[in-house]
Amino acid sequence: ETGVTQTPRHLVMGMTNKKSLKCEQHLGHNAMYWYKQSAKKPLELMFVYNFKEQTENNSVPSRFSPECPNSSHLFLHLHTLQPEDSALYLCASSQEVWGYEQYFGPGTRLTVT
Amino acid sequence: AQTVTQSQPEMSVQEAETVTLSCTYDTSESDYYLFWYKQPPSRQMILVIRQEAYKQQNATENRFSVNFQKAAKSFSLKISDSQLGDAAMYFCAYRGNAGGTSYGKLTFGQGTILTVHP
Repeated sequence: ETGVTQTPRHLVMGMTNKKSLKCEQHLGHNAMYWYKQSAKKPLELMFVYNFKEQTENNSVPSRFSPECPNSSHLFLHLHTLQPEDSALYLCASSQEVWGYEQYFGPGTRLTVT
Repeated sequence: AQTVTQSQPEMSVQEAETVTLSCTYDTSESDYYLFWYKQPPSRQMILVIRQEAYKQQNATENRFSVNFQKAAKSFSLKISDSQLGDAAMYFCAYRGNAGGTSYGKLTFGQGTILTVHP
């Protein structure tokens, strides 16, 4: 295990639902990231947080809303998603922002029906 | 912008044999890192090996080694003595190190699924 946990591991939600993804890192890192992994596409960076402050929003639609209450926890709040948002959502952390090595969580497999 | 291309969607290898996964990238920067990540089925993505662009010597980690051709912008991964546990999706990734808006961001390839046959 890499020291980064994500819950839930699987999530099925309707387009009108509201749900949240959770990420927790036990590594004492200061930076956390959300990535989207779609089938047959490269990983896409979504958001970056450094010391709880958002430093990067990679043109992500507002139906995805991140929250970082402290350096160890990162949430992704989901609202009114579309079927094309179905993907594996990965959380990662690094000692410093854009650190030498990022540690990834196992991901949440999201299906939007 | 930097791009990373993995032209092999799937590869297979017999246990104990050697396999090479290909990766090419495009960049105008001279200072960067290259990585290979492994993502086993339903498990976390982990770093396999990294290469600093300024180093001419190819990186090696046990059974994993790379062939880094900077001029050709090629970065292949060789897995020797393949084991069943090597079966996974492998991602090549680029990280700029020279400042600017791309500094530190990981750019991933599409991935290569490696199957290991017993």
